[in-house]
Amino acid sequence: GEDVEQSLFLSVREGDSSVINCTYTDSSSTYLYWYKQEPGAGLQLLTYIFSNMDMKQDQRLTVLLNKKDKHLSLRIADTQTGDSAIYFCAESAGKLIFGQGTTLQVKP
Amino acid sequence: EAGVAQSPRYKIIEKRQSVAFWCNPISGHATLYWYQQILGQGPKLLIQFQNNGVVDDSQLPKDRFSAERLKGVDSTLKIQPAKLEDSAVYLCASSTNGNTEAFFGQGTRLTVV
Repeated sequence: GEDVEQSLFLSVREGDSSVINCTYTDSSSTYLYWYKQEPGAGLQLLTYIFSNMDMKQDQRLTVLLNKKDKHLSLRIADTQTGDSAIYFCAESAGKLIFGQGTTLQVKP
Repeated sequence: EAGVAQSPRYKIIEKRQSVAFWCNPISGHATLYWYQQILGQGPKLLIQFQNNGVVDDSQLPKDRFSAERLKGVDSTLKIQPAKLEDSAVYLCASSTNGNTEAFFGQGTRLTVV
């Protein structure tokens, strides 16, 4: 069955890079997503990558996909305090399955 | 473009009572999802509709939860009777089809006391 795993917590200093990792199980996933959730808010799509790509860059965000190892990562360059939130990775193979989320804490 | 609309935003009920949530997806989106997000956890898929048909409801507790999407547009999710462990945020999302990005509503926060 489908399963998505993430580390639970990451703490970085403002200005550093953050790397959030995710592993998934369904090799038929066509898209892989990163969502951001701020306290009390809904889920906001940050970025996504198609399964035939290795990398996607979007301003401060870089997504890396290792399809062989079923590993996905999100790098946030120059992390700001406004980036503090919970980040969810999700796989899509006809339905959207989420990981448990990584809480990113950014210290000033 | 209007987003996914959900109501109510908050609901407090006693255990064994009934409750219903409503979702209006983005116009033209064929796929509609209901997720349950318990505090500190990731969203768990309860049910997925494609138009007005059910694609997946394998994690829906069918003894107490029901959902419908009449006419393939709006959807309602009902819990009857509610239990304490149903306290969670219920998120509705929609997408053009099951493989494209999903857009989420603000969610309904349910507290069962």
